[in-house]
Amino acid sequence: EIVLTQSPGTLSLSPGEGATLSCRASQNVRNNNLAWYQQKPGQAPRLLIYGASSRATGIPDRFSGSGSGTDFTLTINRLEPEDFAVYYCQQYGSFTWTFGQGTKVEIK
Amino acid sequence: QLQLQESGPGLVKPSETLSLTCTVSGGSLSSSYYWGWIRQPPGKGLEWIGAIYYSGNTYSTYYNPSLTSRLTISVDSSNSQFSLKLSFLTAADTAVYYCARLGRNGGSYSYFDYWGRGTLVTVSS
Repeated sequence: EIVLTQSPGTLSLSPGEGATLSCRASQNVRNNNLAWYQQKPGQAPRLLIYGASSRATGIPDRFSGSGSGTDFTLTINRLEPEDFAVYYCQQYGSFTWTFGQGTKVEIK
Repeated sequence: QLQLQESGPGLVKPSETLSLTCTVSGGSLSSSYYWGWIRQPPGKGLEWIGAIYYSGNTYSTYYNPSLTSRLTISVDSSNSQFSLKLSFLTAADTAVYYCARLGRNGGSYSYFDYWGRGTLVTVSS
């Protein structure tokens, strides 16, 4: 089973700053089957990025994903007030889907 | 617009079996997609529970290895629903349970693109 480790656990930033979130896999993620989600309190997760770098429908272009193999990054340019939330990465391989433990982006 | 809605009991006793249903509207359950269940204990992260692929009269199920001995996922196509049964519940199964659709990227159904709002299930006597 592939284990995803996200870092940092918490990121304290101000609106307008940029955020870089890391997701490291314990084994190679085949075909870059890596997705990112945003979750706000009391809400279901929302898909941001799939295939490591493709933005989901309606996602602003300040969100971008990159990486391959075992190291993946979610970058948020110029944080907006609505971007403060918890972010999860998730991988797929061999009919198994696993999530990272999450990174909280909080207002500094 | 595809919508998913979970339904089921909010409170279940330890050792009993949880039954949850996800109703799909605005799209077809049998349109060759995978459908999944995910849960989130209060204040914690997301855990994939299982998934089912349904097309025509055939289906395949995939379970989290840590839950496979207690888990059954099935489809009721006539009502556009898929369901979860989790047996021998303990307090550790207390969580918000989400149903979701798996989106296709290339040859893989690799990401969850549509989610229900989730339903809180508490395991307590």
